[in-house]
Amino acid sequence: DAGITQSPRHKVTETGTPVTLRCHQTENHRYMYWYRQDPGHGLRLIHYSYGVKDTDKGEVSDGYSVSRSKTEDFLLTLESATSSQTSVYFCAIGSGDNQPQHFGDGTRLSIL
Amino acid sequence: GQQLNQSPQSMFIQEGEDVSMNCTSSSIFNTWLWYKQDPGEGPVLLIALYKAGELTSNGRLTAQFGITRKDSFLNISASIPSDVGIYFCAGQPDGANNAGNMLTFGGGTRLMVKP
Repeated sequence: DAGITQSPRHKVTETGTPVTLRCHQTENHRYMYWYRQDPGHGLRLIHYSYGVKDTDKGEVSDGYSVSRSKTEDFLLTLESATSSQTSVYFCAIGSGDNQPQHFGDGTRLSIL
Repeated sequence: GQQLNQSPQSMFIQEGEDVSMNCTSSSIFNTWLWYKQDPGEGPVLLIALYKAGELTSNGRLTAQFGITRKDSFLNISASIPSDVGIYFCAGQPDGANNAGNMLTFGGGTRLMVKP
């Protein structure tokens, strides 16, 4: 929806392995965001980007890194996955100026 | 953590009933948003509110931006089975203090159908 594609949609991996999730947009929006959604915690911001190579931390950034080498792609990396990072991850995009964010369909990540 | 108090956390609906939910905050927001999330999907924007006192409708949905800028409500009239899902409110603070255009989310209201 809204020109956002998240990949993969599902992933199962083992503790200690690196994981990279990709968000691709076709809207040419300036802002991109990574959230995680867990029962009892709602949506929590991990990192966001306000332009190519411009990123900043969100509320729950420990254990995660991001990169944005071009406008359309925002990557979320778990350098060494832990079981506490099992979650559903959502990417969102926004044009700024108080305009709403629009969300992708999520990636369900299970770390065993 | 979350700064928006959304209530109720869950509710059962019977087809045809009207539904009401609200969000309150200790902070002022410039924008209020309401999203709906279906299982296995991302949140989808329902209504966006940009001005205190604004009342906006989208079909059977009506939302209002509170006069104090610290609250918002969403009403659903004549509910139908496909209204089931999780509804989230989100607020966007003043742009001067929010360079990243970040949102603060409520904890969600889960709408279920009465058996």
